Amino acid sequence: DAKTTQPPSMDCAEGRAANLPCNHSTISGNEYVYWYRQIHSQGPQYIIHGLKNNETNEMASLIITEDRKSSTLILPHATLRDTAVYYCIVRLPSNFGNEKLTFGTGTRLTIIP
Amino acid sequence: DTEVTQTPKHLVMGMTNKKSLKCEQHMGHRAMYWYKQKAKKPPELMFVYSYEKLSINESVPSRFSPECPNSSLLNLHLHALQPEDSALYLCASSQVVSNNYNSPLHFGNGTRLTVT
Repeated sequence: DAKTTQPPSMDCAEGRAANLPCNHSTISGNEYVYWYRQIHSQGPQYIIHGLKNNETNEMASLIITEDRKSSTLILPHATLRDTAVYYCIVRLPSNFGNEKLTFGTGTRLTIIP
Repeated sequence: DTEVTQTPKHLVMGMTNKKSLKCEQHMGHRAMYWYKQKAKKPPELMFVYSYEKLSINESVPSRFSPECPNSSLLNLHLHALQPEDSALYLCASSQVVSNNYNSPLHFGNGTRLTVT
């Protein structure tokens, strides 16, 4: 799987949009971009994923550049509960359950009141 | 709340003890995973089960012994652990799908293990 690069930490004011960047310059054509987050003392939580097109769900939006070498996770109105470590992961399509989801070091996002 | 339940939440064991961690899900997922997470580090994959059969073992020491007795349960049996094995042990599950699609992993909140 391709490796990802994320800033180690970011701050965002409560109520503002949080934009978390991820670089995946070696991504291959069939690898998906996934985002998970881990709030302190909890397990990782799935947020969103995409292949080529921008995606939006009730939690966040995912913007993938046209060359697919980078992406941005957007939390439109950050709240204190969004303080967490955010992981950007690239994954090959599942091989009938035989796959390794590999976490990088992630971005520690702190929402400031 | 999470749909993957792990018990116990906390466990303290001595190096000569034998204990087991339990993971349960009722989402019909046929892939289940064990991850280990040390403090301030990302989770690291240990084992993957697909249709109740072990499909991936990431060169984990034999003092960790996984077991998948049925499609809803995943156990991790622990024996003769070392203090450096103290960590958060996370279980996850996902649908098993074809090569053209990915299914997100659903994680439990983990068992925090301390080896004394």
